[in-house]
Amino acid sequence: NAGVTQTPKFRVLKTGQSMTLLCAQDMNHEYMYWYRQDPGMGLRLIHYSVGEGTTAKGEVPDGYNVSRLKKQNFLLGLESAAPSQTSVYFCASRNDRRHNTEAFFGQGTRLTVV
Amino acid sequence: DAKTTQPTSMDCAEGRAANLPCNHSTISGNEYVYWYRQIHSQGPQYIIHGLKNNETNEMASLIITEDRKSSTLILPHATLRDTAVYYCIPSGGSNYKLTFGKGTLLTVNP
Repeated sequence: NAGVTQTPKFRVLKTGQSMTLLCAQDMNHEYMYWYRQDPGMGLRLIHYSVGEGTTAKGEVPDGYNVSRLKKQNFLLGLESAAPSQTSVYFCASRNDRRHNTEAFFGQGTRLTVV
Repeated sequence: DAKTTQPTSMDCAEGRAANLPCNHSTISGNEYVYWYRQIHSQGPQYIIHGLKNNETNEMASLIITEDRKSSTLILPHATLRDTAVYYCIPSGGSNYKLTFGKGTLLTVNP
């Protein structure tokens, strides 16, 4: 199993450009999460999903949109990138609350907005 | 969501036990206590979790107080590779989220 795979691993954007980050998991997990991590700080939750077709806002949702059209994929979109969105983005997935199991994380996407 | 309080940083000598405390006094009855760690800039790694009883696995032990307001993660024989930021996170039940606080930077010294 590949676990949680994030695409791309690195990206440089110009201010105002748009892009989509892809998170794919092959563990049939219900819950998926997108985080950002700025230098010297902990992970902050952007958006999350508790199942296919559902999404919800986390702590820092502004400037981002998400979609969960397929259970295995969770997409994070930046419509008009800003330098403040320069960060490392992590995706995670976990099984549903009936199982109370751990979350699995991807290796991150390093995004620089210039 | 339950709030957590952890020391900002701790030091431990290689080969000794590392005891990392976490206060989660507002945890709800159906929330588990999860522990994760992040080594350098990698994705966080799951360590252990528990509800009421103490737990042990190949990586660590988790001690939860009887009132569930605090817990301690124990790494029995710390190695240099255990240097990381450690997070305790209440989650489960109706709390779908996995909210990270600031965590504890554990530095294992030779």
